[in-house]
Amino acid sequence: EDQVTQSPEALRLQEGESSSLNCSYTVSGLRGLFWYRQDPGKGPEFLFTLYSAGEEKEKERLKATLTKKESFLHITAPKPEDSATYLCAVQARSSNTGKLIFGQGTTLQVKP
Amino acid sequence: DTAVSQTPKYLVTQMGNDKSIKCEQNLGHDTMYWYKQDSKKFLKIMFSYNNKELIINETVPNRFSPKSPDKAHLNLHINSLELGDSAVYFCASTASGLTDTQYFGPGTRLTVL
Repeated sequence: EDQVTQSPEALRLQEGESSSLNCSYTVSGLRGLFWYRQDPGKGPEFLFTLYSAGEEKEKERLKATLTKKESFLHITAPKPEDSATYLCAVQARSSNTGKLIFGQGTTLQVKP
Repeated sequence: DTAVSQTPKYLVTQMGNDKSIKCEQNLGHDTMYWYKQDSKKFLKIMFSYNNKELIINETVPNRFSPKSPDKAHLNLHINSLELGDSAVYFCASTASGLTDTQYFGPGTRLTVL
């Protein structure tokens, strides 16, 4: 069964303290791995799509990487405005419907 | 210029009632989705329509019935609401390519009393 597990569930950082969020997945052939950011009371906002092992993408203080079993979201020198829940999702190659399977998210709090 | 919009934002109702949530997208996308997010923030797919045709129908009680009058709109009707239906419901849309980004609406928080 296709599955996504994110860790840790919650992470508290001081402003400027870099860290990484983990997304482990099992899927019958990966078509794509997606990262989203969700602020309280809002819908998920797209960050990155990764397609193959070794791929990396960056946006401001965020960098996403992908291996055959997991993805990392590295946050460099975070600011309080980076506080949010980060969601990881996978799409299986066998899917012809675009179905995304989500992890439970990592809630990040960055303190000034 | 909202991309994916949902109404209402909040919905509070009694057990046993019937309610609807509406979704509209102005992105010109062909595929729309309904997701349910529980109290632990876990997002799970419920339904998907592509050009008004149902393409995903997960194991959801048949009290939930989606309807797509056209490819820009996807509504969700829920009959005989139960306490366990309390959640945040998100609509999303994507262009027809399978790995195209899914864009989410702001969500509808449903509370069943």
